[in-house]
Amino acid sequence: SAVISQKPSRDICQRGTSLTIQCQVDSQVTMMFWYRQQPGQSLTLIATANQGSEATYESGFVIDKFPISRPNLTFSTLTVSNMSPEDSSIYLCSVDGQRNTEAFFGQGTRLTVV
Amino acid sequence: AQSVTQLGSHVSVSEGALVLLRCNYSSSVPPYLFWYVQYPNQGLQLLLKYTSAATLVKGINGFEAEFKKSETSFHLTKPSAHMSDAAEYFCAVSDLNTGKLIFGQGTTLQVKP
Repeated sequence: SAVISQKPSRDICQRGTSLTIQCQVDSQVTMMFWYRQQPGQSLTLIATANQGSEATYESGFVIDKFPISRPNLTFSTLTVSNMSPEDSSIYLCSVDGQRNTEAFFGQGTRLTVV
Repeated sequence: AQSVTQLGSHVSVSEGALVLLRCNYSSSVPPYLFWYVQYPNQGLQLLLKYTSAATLVKGINGFEAEFKKSETSFHLTKPSAHMSDAAEYFCAVSDLNTGKLIFGQGTTLQVKP
């Protein structure tokens, strides 16, 4: 199993500002994933973060809005840029287990934009 | 493309009653299927998974699910609901090549005393 720590756990931010969310894993993993869960909704994949290469973004998400860093095999950051109230969501970091047979999730970052 | 449909956004049962949460999937290849639970203000916890072994899968907290290929279903059941089971439940299918998870819309389980 993998233990994932996300920081911050929650934040309230002013519109137009940016927030960087950190994700730390207790073991080396190849792929890390960032999901968004809008209020009352399911989880939607934002991007896949691979170490040593640029992140791969899903349809509807762009690097300028959600820049991602992956400096090593245990750490990643997601930045939510130029925030608006529509960005208010829970953002979750995830890593895959052995042979994609299980995904482990952080506790999430609850973001409120005012 | 893979997809997951959860039938019923809200399910309400009495304590001690059977819990049945429905999930149907669409996949062009044999899928890996998962059920996750999310308690209020918490992250996701894996309940159980199907990875092409036994079709009846037992998970934590007394939950189990049966993979039925003919019905493209992976319904979650628990014989007797407990108050602590009240939470949001998500069914998901995994893209075996990328590890991405595709989630259903979620089902809120309410347990009445």
